[in-house]
Amino acid sequence: IAGITQAPTSQILAAGRRMTLRCTQDMRHNAMYWYRQDLGLGLRLIHYSNTAGTTGKGEVPDGYSVSRANTDDFPLTLASAVPSQTSVYFCASSEHFGITEAFFGQGTRLTVV
Amino acid sequence: QKEVEQNSGPLSVPEGAIASLNCTYSDRGSQSFFWYRQYSGKSPELIMSIYSNGDKEDGRFTAQLNKASQYVSLLIRDSQPSDSATYLCAVKGDGTASKLTFGTGTRLQVTL
Repeated sequence: IAGITQAPTSQILAAGRRMTLRCTQDMRHNAMYWYRQDLGLGLRLIHYSNTAGTTGKGEVPDGYSVSRANTDDFPLTLASAVPSQTSVYFCASSEHFGITEAFFGQGTRLTVV
Repeated sequence: QKEVEQNSGPLSVPEGAIASLNCTYSDRGSQSFFWYRQYSGKSPELIMSIYSNGDKEDGRFTAQLNKASQYVSLLIRDSQPSDSATYLCAVKGDGTASKLTFGTGTRLQVTL
């Protein structure tokens, strides 16, 4: 079934540890996105990629990094996790950046303790 | 002022009634508007998109856009308990470089 797969689905992480959230899509979409969702704040864009090889900063990029080595994969790395990064993280993709509808992965629930 | 504003709810409607969900946005140049439905603990899923003023109907759902008033709404006719979810409004600004901005969502409860 075509779509977006995120891993892990949930994780408890000690503060200060490094963590990479994985995202893979098989729809050959050009654009990919990472959002975090927090109660009362909605979905906020962390980083995005227009196409393979390019990335850009979203609304809340600090403490996160991304790479886009190929079309399918868009990992999100927390270099040194802090409790404020406790959130639900969603990866999404769209055929083109911002123009067409975004499709979301199932989410990763991350708790930093 | 938030870029995309929604009433957090909960909005409670009886089964069979019309649910009306509203969204306002601040960027007058916005061009694309989307409604996503998110069940508790699940990811958002697209249910409607609208790009020009007026109404767009898809089954029991109708999206309404008024760019002059910077207002987009979603009507759900014959509401069902399975429609109980949080509905997220998303707006894309003008230009290919602009990003999709989400509202915080309105929680809808359809009661029996």
